[in-house]
Amino acid sequence: NAGVMQNPRHLVRRRGQEARLRCSPMKGHSHVYWYRQLPEEGLKFMVYLQKENIIDESGMPKERFSAEFPKEGPSILRIQQVVRGDSAAYFCASSQRPGQDLASGIYEQFFGPGTRLTVL
Amino acid sequence: KQEVTQIPAALSVPEGENLVLNCSFTDSAIYNLQWFRQDPGKGLTSLLLIQSSQREQTSGRLNASLDKSSGRSTLYIAASQPGDSATYLCAVRPDAGNKLTFGGGTRVLVKP
Repeated sequence: NAGVMQNPRHLVRRRGQEARLRCSPMKGHSHVYWYRQLPEEGLKFMVYLQKENIIDESGMPKERFSAEFPKEGPSILRIQQVVRGDSAAYFCASSQRPGQDLASGIYEQFFGPGTRLTVL
Repeated sequence: KQEVTQIPAALSVPEGENLVLNCSFTDSAIYNLQWFRQDPGKGLTSLLLIQSSQREQTSGRLNASLDKSSGRSTLYIAASQPGDSATYLCAVRPDAGNKLTFGGGTRVLVKP
């Protein structure tokens, strides 16, 4: 059972270009989370999605950033008109349906290897 | 708003010494707390997950305790080895919602 897959692992873009980051969740997982790790900073939550739905986007910058998780295919984090401040490691995590009661399981988030975005 | 703090930010110990890493959080309404390891330029490896109803979890040389009421967790690594050198992150999941809030991490160096 492959883990969470992210590609590309490294992405270089010039200012003003678009960046597309892809995340394939673990088999059987229907929930995806995106986190960003800026240089010398901790990981910060960006967005939480399930298939065809954005559940929580409270951590997403208001402009230029969007995310989707279509019925078929990977989740995509899209950054339009990138700026140098977007340079960071972007991590995706996936889980089964999160349960709030112990009987339904822990539904731990499993993380991918990350995509390191460099904006020149 | 939940805030997670890890102290110290960096730690250097000789091989064989026990490691004690601290994590504190401001809002005790958590569902679980998780400890991760991150190697330079790599992703996150989950080490231990403690449910809010649990006091501790153990895996090999690792032991994590949780005191929910005081907002603290401690990760103990016994008999440290150079291969334990990495950054250790703690993260809490709230009772309501699913996003994890991470601490800034503790960078550990175990010298041979």
